[in-house]
Amino acid sequence: QVQLQESGPGLVKPSETLSLTCTVSGGSVSTGSYYWSWVRQPPGKGLEWIGYIYYSGSTNYNPSLKSRVTISGDTSKNQFSLKLSSVTAADTAVYYCARWPSGKDWGQGILVTVSS
Amino acid sequence: DAVMTQSPLSLPVTLGQPASISCRSSQSLVHSDGNTYLNWFQQRPGQSPRRLIYQVSKRESGVPDRFSGSGSGTDFTLKISRVEAEDVGVYYCMQSTHWPWTFGQGTKVEIK
Repeated sequence: QVQLQESGPGLVKPSETLSLTCTVSGGSVSTGSYYWSWVRQPPGKGLEWIGYIYYSGSTNYNPSLKSRVTISGDTSKNQFSLKLSSVTAADTAVYYCARWPSGKDWGQGILVTVSS
Repeated sequence: DAVMTQSPLSLPVTLGQPASISCRSSQSLVHSDGNTYLNWFQQRPGQSPRRLIYQVSKRESGVPDRFSGSGSGTDFTLKISRVEAEDVGVYYCMQSTHWPWTFGQGTKVEIK
């Protein structure tokens, strides 16, 4: 069974870059035709798909965030990462990593607060 | 973007009674490969989302058969035949036909 675990700072200052890592166990980020994804959820609100890195290494980002997002993979550590630049309070959210199209493989989520 | 609109947004239900959630897309969700990638997720309080239904009507393994999905094109429905206490939470439809993949606003199911 694949497990995903988000890690990173829980507090980021406005205008800085949010950086999160998803560590995968029980499966490889470089095989299996999966879209290794980031999804976020502002407190009390709905879900937004940020983007993904395909197992082959190609990426796709939500146009609403494209200018600020980078998703990358590290096959040696079996991890993939999210960087979101120039953050504001509107980027405060729980950030989930997920393996798509498997519907069961989501991390527990990490709350990132943008505040000075 | 494919805008997903759910109704109702709040659904108080009596235990043992049926419940139904509607989801409408602003564009057809039929993919060029012929499949329709409409998913339903359940999010219990304090938990990560969990997919219940994929490709309109296919239940994930382990999902009780009281959950069913139906629909086509732009109109879809999630039905719970008999609501149980563990079904409390927020339900989201989500399309993965068109990029960016998008979610509905969510429907909060609570017990009356």
